[in-house]
Formats: sequence, C-alpha cells, structure tokens
Amino acid sequence: GAVVSQHPSWVICKSGTSVKIECRSLDFQATTMFWYRQFPKQSLMLMATSNEGSKATYEQGVEKDKFLINHASLTLSTLTVTSAHPEDSSFYICSASIGWQGTYEQYFGPGTRLTVT
Amino acid sequence: GENVEQHPSTLSVQEGDSAVIKCTYSDSASNYFPWYKQELGKRPQLIIDIRSNVGEKKDQRIAVTLNKTAKHFSLHITETQPEDSAVYFCVSYSGTYKYIFGTGTRLKVLA
Repeated sequence: GAVVSQHPSWVICKSGTSVKIECRSLDFQATTMFWYRQFPKQSLMLMATSNEGSKATYEQGVEKDKFLINHASLTLSTLTVTSAHPEDSSFYICSASIGWQGTYEQYFGPGTRLTVT
Repeated sequence: GENVEQHPSTLSVQEGDSAVIKCTYSDSASNYFPWYKQELGKRPQLIIDIRSNVGEKKDQRIAVTLNKTAKHFSLHITETQPEDSAVYFCVSYSGTYKYIFGTGTRLKVLA
C-alpha cells in the first residue's frame, strides 16, 4: 500500500517552454502533497505544500508564478514549470500524506528528472 | 527557520564495521524523526523512524537513538554490507507539519 507515482520519469525541454509533472497517489487519498527539488549531490529542498482544493503554500524563495501547483483531487497533484530555463534542471520529487497539513508519514514518488536545454 | 545539521557528509567504512550518522535539529516542536536511504536517481526509502516519546529503536542491523534534551538523533548501522552504500538523510518532522531534511551523508562500504 501507499504507492505514489510520478509522470514523466524524465523529460527534456527547450528553454522557454513549460513542462507539467504529475504526482498520483495510487491506493490512498492524499489530502496533502509536497513537492521537493533535489540538485545533484544535494539534499531534498521543499518547494511547496499543497492541500486538496486549496492554494499551495510555497517555501521562501520559491517563485509561485514559475512553479504552478494544482491539487485538484485527492489523488492528483501537478507541478508546472513555466518558462523553464537551464537552471531549473533538477530532480523533482513529490510526496503524499494523509490528513490536512499531513501526518507523520510521507510517501515519496519516484521522481522526475527535468533537463532544460 | 527550522534546520537539521547532519554529519559527516561522507563516510567510508570497511565491510562488517559499524557506521554512525548524527543529526541535530532546531525546532523543539519536532516530534518525529525518520531516516531515509537514497540510491542514485531513485526516491528516498524509509529505513527506520522514531517518535519523540521513545529514546531508541532497533530493527535488525539498524538502530536510531534520540536525545530530545540535546536535540540530537543518530543512525547506527552495524555489520555494514556493500549494499548499504547510498546517501542517507535524517529528517525532522517539524511543528509546521513539514519534513526538514538533513544535508545527507554519502556512505561507502568497502568490500
């Protein structure tokens, strides 16, 4: 149980274009989802927290107009990187949790490697 | 803001030896401390966790200790094996319902 999927697993896009990443909880309802970014040889950095049906809460320094997050259902959250640039190239990982604002356990997706050329 | 310090950043041990990774957190409201193992290009995998009402927890070769007064928690791996080689992250679950990740420790077990 508690499986989280992400799609796509990797994507290459040209500078200036937008790319959407999907995060799905397959066997449970995820009231709260989290989006992380991980640069090579670095830790996971929380970008934003989203609760189903409400606006995402972004961490300090994360541009909400650049990283659009939608959590329209209890099993799906999407992250759209708008007007992507090479510096946005990174490993993006989502996680899902049960309960408003989350509970102890977070279940991680397999990640999406974004390369912007 | 909240942060978690993790040491060492890299650790090499001989197969069969023990490995210890230490973390210090800042948020006194933190009450849950999971540890994750991450292999290159893959998702973090939960290996053990401890809640604030417990001082120590063990699962086969892996153990975690927590000192709430000092805000320290540690991961202990005994009888290390080459497949233990990976990056390990400690996490503090803060009072703001977020996971705060440590900076990571790259463990290399030498055969």
